[in-house]
Amino acid sequence: GESVGLHLPTLSVQEGDNSIINCAYSNSASDYFIWYKQESGKGPQFIIDIRSNMDKRQGQRVTVLLNKTVKHLSLQIAATQPGDSAVYFCAKNGAGNTGKLIFGQGTTLQVKP
Amino acid sequence: SQTIHQWPATLVQPVGSPLSLECTVEGTSNPNLYWYRQAAGRGLQLLFYSVGIGQISSEVPQNLSASRPQDRQFILSSKKLLLSDSGFYLCAWTRGAFGIETQYFGPGTRLLVL
Repeated sequence: GESVGLHLPTLSVQEGDNSIINCAYSNSASDYFIWYKQESGKGPQFIIDIRSNMDKRQGQRVTVLLNKTVKHLSLQIAATQPGDSAVYFCAKNGAGNTGKLIFGQGTTLQVKP
Repeated sequence: SQTIHQWPATLVQPVGSPLSLECTVEGTSNPNLYWYRQAAGRGLQLLFYSVGIGQISSEVPQNLSASRPQDRQFILSSKKLLLSDSGFYLCAWTRGAFGIETQYFGPGTRLLVL
């Protein structure tokens, strides 16, 4: 079946450094990938998305890279700030046209001052 | 702009008691609606989704049920809660007509069953 997995459950970085959170997926038929940020006690918040016809997409301080050859997705956060501390989830669309998303287990990003 | 509301924010219930969690969406029509459960430190498990009023699809067999009495209202219920029902319940929506869309999440309801 389809799956989405994150490489590291926890990532600790120094404030001001760049962060890279990685994700792998199993079904190359997926067309759409999303990164969410979830702060403690809150619902996941949309960060950035990318479709399979792109390799890279940039937002404000964030970049998503999609490598379809190795089925790998990454989120890069530039100049990481304490407010970036959260759990980050990658997700992709499920098989068929159902609108359902398949989520990874999440990576906890800890920013050290 | 669209907003999604959930209530209550926190709930403590005894085992065997009933449950009703509510989710409403504003600023859009005919959304697709989703209920997820998130155990502590874990990912999101899809419980139910709905493409329209009265239309519910269940993803995981359990003692929970969902209903959609109005276009922008989604309710999660149980007749008798179990200890294992404890968790963080999230409602989400996407624009109608299934396609490849971003899901937007509500603030969640923290449920503790004792």
